[in-house]
Amino acid sequence: GQNIDQPTEMTATEGAIVQINCTYQTSGFNGLFWYQQHAGEAPTFLSYNVLDGLEEKGRFSSFLSRSKGYSYLLLKELQMKDSASYLCAGSRDDKIIFGKGTRLHILP
Amino acid sequence: DVKVTQSSRYLVKRTGEKVFLECVQDMDHENMFWYRQDPGLGLRLIYFSYDVKMKEKGDIPEGYSVSREKKERFSLILESASTNQTSMYLCASSTPQGSSYEQYFGPGTRLTVT
Repeated sequence: GQNIDQPTEMTATEGAIVQINCTYQTSGFNGLFWYQQHAGEAPTFLSYNVLDGLEEKGRFSSFLSRSKGYSYLLLKELQMKDSASYLCAGSRDDKIIFGKGTRLHILP
Repeated sequence: DVKVTQSSRYLVKRTGEKVFLECVQDMDHENMFWYRQDPGLGLRLIYFSYDVKMKEKGDIPEGYSVSREKKERFSLILESASTNQTSMYLCASSTPQGSSYEQYFGPGTRLTVT
Protein backbone atom coordinates (compact mmCIF):
# COMPACT_ATOMS: atom_id res chain seq x y z
CA GLY A 1 0.00 0.00 0.00
CA GLN A 2 0.88 3.66 -0.16
CA ASN A 3 -0.50 4.78 3.21
CA ILE A 4 1.20 7.72 4.79
CA ASP A 5 0.05 8.30 8.34
CA GLN A 6 0.52 11.36 10.49
CA PRO A 7 -1.46 12.81 13.39
CA THR A 8 -4.38 15.00 12.43
CA GLU A 9 -3.73 17.79 14.93
CA MET A 10 -1.14 18.81 17.51
CA THR A 11 -0.86 21.70 19.94
CA ALA A 12 2.31 23.21 21.34
CA THR A 13 3.41 26.33 23.18
CA GLU A 14 5.37 29.25 21.79
CA GLY A 15 9.09 28.77 22.45
CA ALA A 16 8.78 25.02 22.91
CA ILE A 17 9.84 22.06 20.73
CA VAL A 18 7.43 19.83 18.85
CA GLN A 19 7.95 16.62 16.90
CA ILE A 20 5.54 15.62 14.15
CA ASN A 21 5.75 11.95 13.24
CA CYS A 22 5.05 10.29 9.94
CA THR A 23 4.93 6.60 9.12
CA TYR A 24 4.57 5.05 5.72
CA GLN A 25 3.81 1.56 4.52
CA THR A 26 5.32 1.28 1.12
CA SER A 27 8.48 0.27 -0.58
CA GLY A 28 9.77 2.17 -3.54
CA PHE A 29 9.86 5.66 -2.12
CA ASN A 30 12.96 7.49 -3.24
CA GLY A 31 12.79 9.90 -0.34
CA LEU A 32 10.57 11.75 2.10
CA PHE A 33 9.41 15.35 1.89
CA TRP A 34 8.02 17.73 4.44
CA TYR A 35 5.94 20.69 3.29
CA GLN A 36 4.42 23.55 5.29
CA GLN A 37 1.02 24.93 4.37
CA HIS A 38 -0.53 27.98 5.98
CA ALA A 39 -4.32 28.24 5.88
CA GLY A 40 -5.53 29.33 2.45
CA GLU A 41 -2.07 29.16 0.91
CA ALA A 42 -0.11 26.71 -1.22
CA PRO A 43 2.28 24.19 0.31
CA THR A 44 5.91 25.27 0.51
CA PHE A 45 8.93 22.99 0.63
CA LEU A 46 10.67 22.45 3.98
CA SER A 47 12.92 19.42 3.59
CA TYR A 48 13.74 16.31 1.62
CA ASN A 49 15.44 13.24 3.12
CA VAL A 50 16.76 10.51 0.88
CA LEU A 51 19.27 8.99 3.31
CA ASP A 52 18.69 7.76 6.85
CA GLY A 53 19.46 10.22 9.57
CA LEU A 54 18.79 13.72 10.73
CA GLU A 55 19.06 16.82 8.58
CA GLU A 56 19.02 20.17 10.30
CA LYS A 57 17.99 23.43 8.70
CA GLY A 58 17.76 26.28 11.16
CA ARG A 59 14.89 25.76 13.60
CA PHE A 60 13.59 22.81 11.58
CA SER A 61 15.07 19.32 11.40
CA SER A 62 13.86 16.23 9.60
CA PHE A 63 14.68 12.61 10.30
CA LEU A 64 14.26 9.50 8.18
CA SER A 65 14.54 5.78 8.87
CA ARG A 66 13.89 3.91 5.65
CA SER A 67 14.00 0.48 7.26
CA LYS A 68 11.31 1.47 9.76
CA GLY A 69 9.20 3.51 7.33
CA TYR A 70 9.38 6.42 9.75
CA SER A 71 10.11 10.11 9.57
CA TYR A 72 9.66 13.08 11.83
CA LEU A 73 9.82 16.84 11.57
CA LEU A 74 11.25 18.63 14.60
CA LEU A 75 10.43 22.29 15.14
CA LYS A 76 12.41 24.18 17.77
CA GLU A 77 11.83 27.56 19.41
CA LEU A 78 8.28 27.60 18.17
CA GLN A 79 6.88 30.89 16.92
CA MET A 80 3.27 31.87 16.34
CA LYS A 81 3.93 31.95 12.60
CA ASP A 82 4.64 28.20 12.76
CA SER A 83 0.90 27.62 13.13
CA ALA A 84 0.20 25.72 9.92
CA SER A 85 -0.38 22.29 8.47
CA TYR A 86 2.67 20.10 7.92
CA LEU A 87 2.48 17.59 5.10
CA CYS A 88 4.57 14.45 4.99
CA ALA A 89 5.04 13.11 1.46
CA GLY A 90 6.90 10.27 -0.20
CA SER A 91 8.53 10.61 -3.58
CA ARG A 92 8.40 7.83 -6.12
CA ASP A 93 9.93 8.56 -9.49
CA ASP A 94 8.48 11.90 -10.51
CA LYS A 95 5.38 11.67 -8.32
CA ILE A 96 4.81 12.72 -4.75
CA ILE A 97 2.30 10.92 -2.53
CA PHE A 98 1.03 13.20 0.23
CA GLY A 99 -0.23 12.36 3.69
CA LYS A 100 -3.31 14.17 4.98
CA GLY A 101 -1.26 16.64 6.97
CA THR A 102 -0.90 17.58 10.62
CA ARG A 103 -2.46 20.85 11.74
CA LEU A 104 -0.19 22.44 14.34
CA HIS A 105 -1.67 24.97 16.77
CA ILE A 106 0.72 27.23 18.67
CA LEU A 107 -0.45 28.68 21.98
CA PRO A 108 1.07 31.90 23.35
CA ASP B 1 12.65 32.85 -8.25
CA VAL B 2 10.51 29.86 -9.14
CA LYS B 3 7.03 30.87 -10.13
CA VAL B 4 3.84 28.93 -10.73
CA THR B 5 0.73 30.94 -11.49
CA GLN B 6 -2.90 29.93 -11.74
CA SER B 7 -5.48 31.83 -13.72
CA SER B 8 -7.91 32.50 -10.88
CA ARG B 9 -7.81 32.49 -7.07
CA TYR B 10 -11.58 32.12 -6.76
CA LEU B 11 -14.10 30.80 -9.25
CA VAL B 12 -17.84 30.18 -9.04
CA LYS B 13 -19.48 28.03 -11.71
CA ARG B 14 -22.86 26.42 -12.23
CA THR B 15 -23.53 22.70 -12.42
CA GLY B 16 -23.02 21.43 -15.96
CA GLU B 17 -20.70 24.21 -17.06
CA LYS B 18 -17.39 23.44 -18.71
CA VAL B 19 -14.58 24.83 -16.56
CA PHE B 20 -10.99 25.55 -17.51
CA LEU B 21 -8.28 26.00 -14.88
CA GLU B 22 -4.99 27.27 -16.24
CA CYS B 23 -1.53 26.86 -14.78
CA VAL B 24 1.70 28.41 -16.05
CA GLN B 25 5.24 27.89 -14.77
CA ASP B 26 8.33 29.83 -15.74
CA MET B 27 11.04 27.40 -14.60
CA ASP B 28 11.18 25.29 -17.78
CA HIS B 29 10.06 22.30 -15.72
CA GLU B 30 9.24 19.07 -17.50
CA ASN B 31 6.71 17.78 -14.96
CA MET B 32 3.41 19.39 -14.07
CA PHE B 33 0.66 18.21 -11.74
CA TRP B 34 -2.94 18.97 -10.81
CA TYR B 35 -4.19 18.22 -7.29
CA ARG B 36 -7.35 18.88 -5.40
CA GLN B 37 -7.34 19.45 -1.67
CA ASP B 38 -10.32 18.80 0.56
CA PRO B 39 -10.61 18.92 4.36
CA GLY B 40 -9.77 15.57 5.91
CA LEU B 41 -8.64 14.10 2.59
CA GLY B 42 -5.39 15.94 1.97
CA LEU B 43 -3.86 16.51 -1.44
CA ARG B 44 -5.04 14.08 -4.10
CA LEU B 45 -3.44 13.79 -7.53
CA ILE B 46 -5.82 14.23 -10.45
CA TYR B 47 -3.53 14.21 -13.50
CA PHE B 48 0.11 14.82 -14.27
CA SER B 49 2.28 15.34 -17.30
CA TYR B 50 5.93 14.53 -17.93
CA ASP B 51 6.21 16.37 -21.21
CA VAL B 52 4.34 18.33 -23.82
CA LYS B 53 1.30 16.43 -25.12
CA MET B 54 1.82 13.69 -22.54
CA LYS B 55 -0.59 13.04 -19.70
CA GLU B 56 -1.03 10.40 -17.03
CA LYS B 57 -3.98 9.71 -14.76
CA GLY B 58 -3.49 10.26 -11.08
CA ASP B 59 -5.57 8.82 -8.27
CA ILE B 60 -8.86 10.61 -9.01
CA PRO B 61 -9.12 11.44 -12.75
CA GLU B 62 -12.85 10.84 -13.13
CA GLY B 63 -14.71 13.93 -14.31
CA TYR B 64 -11.52 15.72 -15.35
CA SER B 65 -9.29 16.00 -18.40
CA VAL B 66 -6.07 17.89 -19.06
CA SER B 67 -4.21 19.55 -21.86
CA ARG B 68 -0.52 20.30 -22.26
CA GLU B 69 0.15 21.92 -25.62
CA LYS B 70 3.15 23.94 -24.41
CA LYS B 71 5.80 23.05 -21.87
CA GLU B 72 4.97 25.94 -19.56
CA ARG B 73 1.19 25.51 -19.52
CA PHE B 74 -0.97 22.74 -18.06
CA SER B 75 -4.74 23.07 -18.14
CA LEU B 76 -7.31 21.19 -16.09
CA ILE B 77 -10.75 20.81 -17.64
CA LEU B 78 -13.97 19.94 -15.91
CA GLU B 79 -16.14 18.76 -18.78
CA SER B 80 -19.41 19.17 -16.89
CA ALA B 81 -18.93 20.65 -13.44
CA SER B 82 -20.71 19.02 -10.52
CA THR B 83 -21.14 20.13 -6.92
CA ASN B 84 -18.78 17.41 -5.68
CA GLN B 85 -16.01 19.12 -7.63
CA THR B 86 -16.18 22.10 -5.31
CA SER B 87 -12.65 22.15 -3.93
CA MET B 88 -9.27 23.86 -3.80
CA TYR B 89 -7.28 23.04 -6.93
CA LEU B 90 -3.50 23.24 -6.79
CA CYS B 91 -1.09 23.10 -9.68
CA ALA B 92 2.56 22.15 -9.21
CA SER B 93 5.65 21.67 -11.32
CA SER B 94 8.98 19.90 -10.87
CA THR B 95 12.07 18.85 -12.73
CA PRO B 96 13.62 15.40 -12.71
CA GLN B 97 17.12 16.84 -12.57
CA GLY B 98 19.15 15.93 -9.53
CA SER B 99 18.05 13.62 -6.74
CA SER B 100 15.09 15.66 -5.60
CA TYR B 101 11.73 15.99 -7.25
CA GLU B 102 10.66 18.95 -5.17
CA GLN B 103 7.36 20.30 -6.38
CA TYR B 104 6.63 24.01 -6.59
CA PHE B 105 3.00 24.93 -6.09
CA GLY B 106 0.83 27.67 -7.47
CA PRO B 107 -1.39 29.74 -5.14
CA GLY B 108 -4.43 27.55 -5.78
CA THR B 109 -7.89 28.10 -7.24
CA ARG B 110 -10.86 27.76 -4.93
CA LEU B 111 -13.67 26.51 -7.15
CA THR B 112 -17.29 26.54 -6.02
CA VAL B 113 -19.86 24.73 -8.14
CA THR B 114 -23.45 25.71 -7.39
